[in-house]
Amino acid sequence: EIVLTQSPATLSLSPGERATLSCRASQSVTTYLAWYQQKPGQAPRLLIYDASNRATGIPARFSGSGSGTDFTLTISSLEPADFAVYYCQQGSNWPPLTFGGGTKVEIK
Amino acid sequence: EVQLVGSGGGLIQPGGSLRLSCAASGFNVSSNYMSWVRQAPGKGLEWVSMIYSGGSTYYADSVKGRFTISRDNSQNTLYLQMNSLRVEDTAVYYCARGYCSGGRCYPYYFDYWGQGTLVTVSS
Repeated sequence: EIVLTQSPATLSLSPGERATLSCRASQSVTTYLAWYQQKPGQAPRLLIYDASNRATGIPARFSGSGSGTDFTLTISSLEPADFAVYYCQQGSNWPPLTFGGGTKVEIK
Repeated sequence: EVQLVGSGGGLIQPGGSLRLSCAASGFNVSSNYMSWVRQAPGKGLEWVSMIYSGGSTYYADSVKGRFTISRDNSQNTLYLQMNSLRVEDTAVYYCARGYCSGGRCYPYYFDYWGQGTLVTVSS
């Protein structure tokens, strides 16, 4: 099973700042990696797939990069709606599909 | 408009059974990859099961032999039959569709999700 480790656990930032979230895989997932955003009481929302492709309707301030075992989600300028929990998920070697433990982006 | 509406959750004793439903609209479950993903209270996401358009099914080890994913094409509904429930199965269960874009569909990414249905296993 591929284990995904996200860091930091919590990121405290102000609106307008740049957010950089990390996801590290226990073995290579090539580029079969997605990022999701989840707000309290809501289902997750797909942001990025195949490591760097924005899903339909996702704003350009969200970008993904990386390959192999190290991946990054960048939010170029945080808006109030972006404060949420973010999960990475791999689709390379499954079953099982696995998710990271999440990074909470909170208002500083 | 694509919509997934989950139902069937509730309080159940350990060892009991429950069937979750996920009614789809705006697309056909029979021609898409469909999954169940769960989230224990205050915890992260855990993939549970998937059914391919062709009918192949896949399970997480934690539920294999206890849970069964299926669909009713005439009702355009996805199901998760959960037997021998354990306390650790307590979670919000989401149904989710495999992401499709530009004529290609990905079974392992999820674009549309149901609202989630809470299953509580407790004596």
